[in-house]
Formats: sequence, structure tokens, C-alpha cells
Amino acid sequence: RKEVEQDPGPFNVPEGATVAFNCTYSNSASQSFFWYRQDCRKEPKLLMSVYSSGNEDGRFTAQLNRASQYISLLIRDSKLSDSATYLCVVNRFGSSNTGKLIFGQGTTLQVKP
Amino acid sequence: DAGVTQSPTHLIKTRGQQVTLRCSPKSGHDTVSWYQQALGQGPQFIFQYYEEEERQRGNFPDRFSGHQFPNYSSELNVNALLLGDSALYLCASSLDVAGVGQAGELFFGEGSRLTVL
Repeated sequence: RKEVEQDPGPFNVPEGATVAFNCTYSNSASQSFFWYRQDCRKEPKLLMSVYSSGNEDGRFTAQLNRASQYISLLIRDSKLSDSATYLCVVNRFGSSNTGKLIFGQGTTLQVKP
Repeated sequence: DAGVTQSPTHLIKTRGQQVTLRCSPKSGHDTVSWYQQALGQGPQFIFQYYEEEERQRGNFPDRFSGHQFPNYSSELNVNALLLGDSALYLCASSLDVAGVGQAGELFFGEGSRLTVL
């Protein structure tokens, strides 16, 4: 079983739709959580961190449920430019108290006109 | 402010050969991590360098080795290449603040795409 699991999709949605991605992680020792975005044939870039209280950045809302070991990302009013792969990421601190990021497979979103 | 730069961008090797990939971190960053991303998969952690030492390592064989120089730049070496080593190799830099980089943000380079024939 992968440490971070995501539905690879693709999710095909029309412009203006609301879409939600889910992610589960298996290691309860995971300390911090993120969503990264990766455009086709480009490098991953941080989209947003995920906090236990939930957090919002414009059209994007991230939620964390530590009890269920579940992370979500909600995108409202989808734009064509939101088409990308969204990577769920957890950080598990190593013995020297530095984390290595564990990436999920990624969920592909295609927003259609 | 230059971001993370990697070279070469693309390369083709044959099985059994050796390859060296290079990375210059973002200005001000002292920690370099290397990731392997196979097609259709998320990046997989190879190792991390800080103060010229390998600080953490993922589940990769000893054929994968690295180095960090005093100017924080880094190299990834892969010996005895296998077909399965074909992937995008990503270098990421961060600043070791509180042991996790700045708010956990890694800055990635555009990667070196390795094809092994």
C-alpha cells in the first residue's frame, strides 16, 4: 500500500464547476501536509499548506482530518488555467528532525470550456 | 533571483552506463533534495544533502549517490543504469528553518529527463 494515496483521475469538469480531490495517508506520524500543483512536463510548485483548522486561499480550500488521515482540496469556479495535476504531499520528520516529502501519485484535472 | 537550475535538461544513456546530474539551489538555500518521478507517478524521495552530508535517504539502491559542494550545489550520480531508471529527476532546494524548510516549501528545478535504452 502506498503511503499517500490519491485517485489519479482524470477529473473532467466544465468551467465554473466545483471539484474536490481527496487523499489518504497511512503514517499517523505525519506532521505536515501540502498540496502541490504540477503542470504538464513542468516541475511541482506549492499550491497551499493544509492545516487542521482548514484553510482557504481564494477559490481553493484545503481540509485535514487527522483522525481519518484524510486530506481534501476543493476548487470552486474552475478556470481553464486550473488544468494540472494536483499532488497530495505529507511531511514525516526524520531522525534529524528534518522532513522528507512523501508525494501521492497525483490527481489530474482537465477543465473544459 | 535565480531559481533552482538543473543540467542537463534531457539525456539519453544505455544500460550499464553512468550518469551525473547537476543542480544549483535557489539563492540563499542550503538544503538540496533529489526526487525521481516516473511517468504518471508522483516524485519519489532519493536523498537530501545539508552541509555537504547526506542527511536522509529514501528507498533507493547504492547505485544512486550524491554530493553537495561548499557552494550548496549538488550532483546526483547513478551507476550501472537500468531501463527502470528512466524518469524525470527533480532537484529541490529549501532553507533549513525549523528542520522542514520554509513552511515545508520546496522549490523545484525543471528537472533532468533521463532515458535509458
